[in-house]
Amino acid sequence: AAGVIQSPRHLIKEKRETATLKCYPIPRHDTVYWYQQGPGQDPQFLISFYEKMQSDKGSIPDRFSAQQFSDYHSELNMSSLELGDSALYFCASSLEGLAGGPDNEQFFGPGTRLTVL
Amino acid sequence: KNQVEQSPQSLIILEGKNCTLQCNYTVSPFSNLRWYKQDTGRGPVSLTIMTFSENTKSNGRYTATLDADTKQSSLHITASQLSDSASYICVVRGGTYKYIFGTGTRLKVLA
Repeated sequence: AAGVIQSPRHLIKEKRETATLKCYPIPRHDTVYWYQQGPGQDPQFLISFYEKMQSDKGSIPDRFSAQQFSDYHSELNMSSLELGDSALYFCASSLEGLAGGPDNEQFFGPGTRLTVL
Repeated sequence: KNQVEQSPQSLIILEGKNCTLQCNYTVSPFSNLRWYKQDTGRGPVSLTIMTFSENTKSNGRYTATLDADTKQSSLHITASQLSDSASYICVVRGGTYKYIFGTGTRLKVLA
């Protein structure tokens, strides 16, 4: 079965550079979530999109922005990178619309490891 | 405030032994509760889901319980294996798009 795809898997950037992370949800899933997980920490919710509209916002810095496109893939844009942005960035997808249900499961991608030097 | 707390923070057990992980939550409204297993550097993978009306659910060597009155859940791992070494995360769905993550329990199984 198709899973959530994230690219790139690894990314190395320098301070003050920009980065773009991509997420391709499971086919037919309408909702995408972004999480940031620092070393030894729990995933922190950043932002989510349902049907290309922002559905919820967490602890996403102003330097970051995200969007969901017409094909439901999502991109997380990160500018003015800081050392503290080094983390694993997970994308998850779920089906939240009428075809979904109360037991909707979030399926997580493998993550993008961002290292800021 | 919606919160999910897990205990213990970390746990070391010998291969073949059983263990129980705890999850307490204060999330409202409550839709369901999932236990995820996360291997280092990988995305979390769902083990079980518990809805309001369910008390116990098993998935192989994993058995989850839910007490909706006390807002507590547990994950029991039977006959642990080295491959069980991972972080176990309790996630409560508190309405549409709302997933509240627990603090996680890091389990280490030793040979």
